[in-house]
Amino acid sequence: NAGVTQTPKFQVLKTGQSMTLQCAQDMNHNSMYWYRQDPGMGLRLIYYSASEGTTDKGEVPNGYNVSRLNKREFSLRLESAAPSQTSVYFCASISPGKNIQYFGAGTRLSVL
Amino acid sequence: GENVEQHPSTLSVQEGDSAVIKCTYSDSASNYFPWYKQELGKRPQLIIDIRSNVGEKKDQRIAVTLNKTAKHFSLHITETQPEDSAVYFCAAIIHTGNQFYFGTGTSLTVIP
Repeated sequence: NAGVTQTPKFQVLKTGQSMTLQCAQDMNHNSMYWYRQDPGMGLRLIYYSASEGTTDKGEVPNGYNVSRLNKREFSLRLESAAPSQTSVYFCASISPGKNIQYFGAGTRLSVL
Repeated sequence: GENVEQHPSTLSVQEGDSAVIKCTYSDSASNYFPWYKQELGKRPQLIIDIRSNVGEKKDQRIAVTLNKTAKHFSLHITETQPEDSAVYFCAAIIHTGNQFYFGTGTSLTVIP
């Protein structure tokens, strides 16, 4: 099992560019999450998907869109990147019935 | 929604001493409280968790206590070692929901 896999690991964008962060899990988990982590702010939820075909907004959804492509994959899209979106992004999934959250290795994004 | 507060934001202890990190939560419907350790540049990893039907849980040098009446829970690390140096996050989840609410983190430094 690879667990939760995120790509890319690093990305630099110019303001206004778009990009998609990819996330896949091979643990047959139903729920998947996207967080951003900023210094002193902890982990803030952007969007989550409780099951295939459903997505819901979290605490900080503005400027982002998500797609739950299938049970394995949950992508995060920035349509028009802004410097305020410079952050480290983590994808996570939850083991059913146990609430144990597994994180990907993170994507470090800089928007210039 | 839930609000989780975490204190202190930074903590330095001498090797061998104990460290205590405290969190409070606002929603009495929260019933699962995990603690994560994040080393520099790495992903958060679950180190211990507690459910609302338990008052204390211990795993070797780490323990978590929960006071449902006061809505606070704490992480205790005894006999600290330099490898315990990391950022620690608490979180809470409401039993009817799918969202994790994270504290803002505590940066623990263990001085050899």
